[in-house]
Amino acid sequence: DTAVSQTPKYLVTQMGNDKSIKCEQNLGHDTMYWYKQDSKKFLKIMFSYNNKELIINETVPNRFSPKSPDKAHLNLHINSLELGDSAVYFCASSQEALGGIGGYTFGSGTRLTVV
Amino acid sequence: GNSVTQMEGPVTLSEEAFLTINCTYTATGYPSLFWYVQYPGEGLQLLLKATKADDKGSNKGFEATYRKETTSFHLEKGSVQVSDSAVYFCALVNTGFQKLVFGTGTRLLVSP
Repeated sequence: DTAVSQTPKYLVTQMGNDKSIKCEQNLGHDTMYWYKQDSKKFLKIMFSYNNKELIINETVPNRFSPKSPDKAHLNLHINSLELGDSAVYFCASSQEALGGIGGYTFGSGTRLTVV
Repeated sequence: GNSVTQMEGPVTLSEEAFLTINCTYTATGYPSLFWYVQYPGEGLQLLLKATKADDKGSNKGFEATYRKETTSFHLEKGSVQVSDSAVYFCALVNTGFQKLVFGTGTRLLVSP
């Protein structure tokens, strides 16, 4: 039933490792996003995909690579993890035809801790 | 560019007190405005929205009115409950830009 589901919910890993976070939405939305929430709760967009095409790519280190195999999935792969990557990562989706004015639906987040 | 400014928190209130969380925005064109709420340990949930000037969004006793003349979208509730304790985010999206821009969030703490 979950509209936007992310896995894993928690991820603890060592510096230098490579990890992936998966996201799936069952809302039929056309557009998916990755947001990063830092320790002060500030939310910043990282990427956006519309129908498997990258449409927003904010200033994010190229160690972060999103992949959208189909419009219901948007995964985030992170290479060579650094301490500063520790944050909560949120996946979201929206109906592109509404230009986002219908609001975004967010997943419950993945708390990444790099040690 | 587009940006959202929220009042700094935390906002600490007693149960049944009146709540106002201020939000102002800067945007070109005619953005849609939102309030999202994040309960402890959870993701963000859409609380309410307004898509044009003078629209009032409301949900669960919370209200906010889109004021173009003051570029504001302040969140209000007449009587808060302990269960309202959460972080509240004001946000905007400008049609065509496909990007939801958030304020810094305001933590609300309600005590019994």
